[in-house]
Amino acid sequence: DMQMTQSPSSLSASIGDRVIITCRAGQTTTRFLNWYQQKPGEAPKLLIYGTSRLQGGVPSRFSGSASGTDFTLTISSLQPEDFATYYCQQSFIAPFTFGPGTKVDIK
Amino acid sequence: QITLKESGPTLVKPTQTLTLTCTISGFSLNSHGVGVGWIRQPPGKALEWLTFVYWDGDKKYSPSLRSRLTISRDTSKNQVVLTLTNVDPVDTATYYCAQYDGFLYYFHYWGQGTLVTVSS
Repeated sequence: DMQMTQSPSSLSASIGDRVIITCRAGQTTTRFLNWYQQKPGEAPKLLIYGTSRLQGGVPSRFSGSASGTDFTLTISSLQPEDFATYYCQQSFIAPFTFGPGTKVDIK
Repeated sequence: QITLKESGPTLVKPTQTLTLTCTISGFSLNSHGVGVGWIRQPPGKALEWLTFVYWDGDKKYSPSLRSRLTISRDTSKNQVVLTLTNVDPVDTATYYCAQYDGFLYYFHYWGQGTLVTVSS
């Protein structure tokens, strides 16, 4: 299996803060890296696919980038509705492993 | 409108076999590039990818659960079925099915999930 790690595992932030979440793949995934947002009691929601492509309807304050096997999800200005858990997922090779998640809560 | 809905038992005893059904609408299981997968999430824990069936019938499984998992599909009923044998309390989780876009390589549409508890 391709192992995925995320950091931090949790963070506390204030409205308006810039938030950066990092995901590292155990091996190359080319650019097949996706980000999902999950709120309590809800199914995950796709935010970004293919490393940096914003899913339709997702606010532009979300962005994704990569450097080698390190991938980054950035929220440029945190909004109240962004408090959630964020997961990366590689879709390069099955099993399509998820990262362990990063919980973003209110400071 | 694309929807997926999971159904099955909410309580299963240890060593029994769990069978869950994902009923889809708004797309076809035969559509080129489309797949349906199962993902689970134990309470308070992370998402875990389990298995996946592609439009051409190709199937993929999590290596750690491969011996216990089976995925099948009934295209006439628009259903994808997950079978997990010899369940254990650690299999307690919310089980989601989701549509996989094989052109853009992501899980786009998700079911609401169904919580399955394994307990005697």
